[in-house]
Amino acid sequence: GESVGLHLPTLSVQEGDNSIINCAYSNSASDYFIWYKQESGKGPQFIIDIRSNMDKRQGQRVTVLLNKTVKHLSLQIAATQPGDSAVYFCAESGYGGSQGNLIFGKGTKLSVKP
Amino acid sequence: DAEITQSPRHKITETGRQVTLACHQTWNHNNMFWYRQDLGHGLRLIHYSYGVQDTNKGEVSDGYSVSRSNTEDLPLTLESAASSQTSVYFCASSDWTSSSTDTQYFGPGTRLTVL
Repeated sequence: GESVGLHLPTLSVQEGDNSIINCAYSNSASDYFIWYKQESGKGPQFIIDIRSNMDKRQGQRVTVLLNKTVKHLSLQIAATQPGDSAVYFCAESGYGGSQGNLIFGKGTKLSVKP
Repeated sequence: DAEITQSPRHKITETGRQVTLACHQTWNHNNMFWYRQDLGHGLRLIHYSYGVQDTNKGEVSDGYSVSRSNTEDLPLTLESAASSQTSVYFCASSDWTSSSTDTQYFGPGTRLTVL
């Protein structure tokens, strides 16, 4: 839990600012991508997902952008709040008949300054 | 409400002992997964199951085993605990079908310390 965030890339933002968290994925055949949020001492929590036939998807205060050309995924959080402080993971799946297996990135720690 | 639970939440054991971590989900999901999470490694897949009586090895399966006798449970057993198995363990489940998404839903985790 609380030790997950050590040794990870860290993004520090001011409360109210927008945050952008980036992820490079590994397999050009992946067709489904997910962002998870992990708070200290808790399990990863689903935030938003996107299929490869889309390049943008919006949720409540969050937007995921997919650039298949450069295999890049980003998570944008609008008006970042202290409760957004957590480690954020991207995950990819759908290649090689994976039947639901996901490959996770190592994560980025988001720290929100009040 | 449907959920996924893990027990115990914290466990301290000694080297060489057998340990079993429980995972129970009430979503009726066909897929279940066990991961370990360590500094610098992110989530690593230990074992997974696509249904009753089905089990598969993941990336870091040595020293671990699972069994799937029903849809709801996938217990993880450490045959002979080693200090290298000190970690936080997460169970997850998903309702994968060829037409659905692969979203996995995670339990709260078990922190295991092997002395």
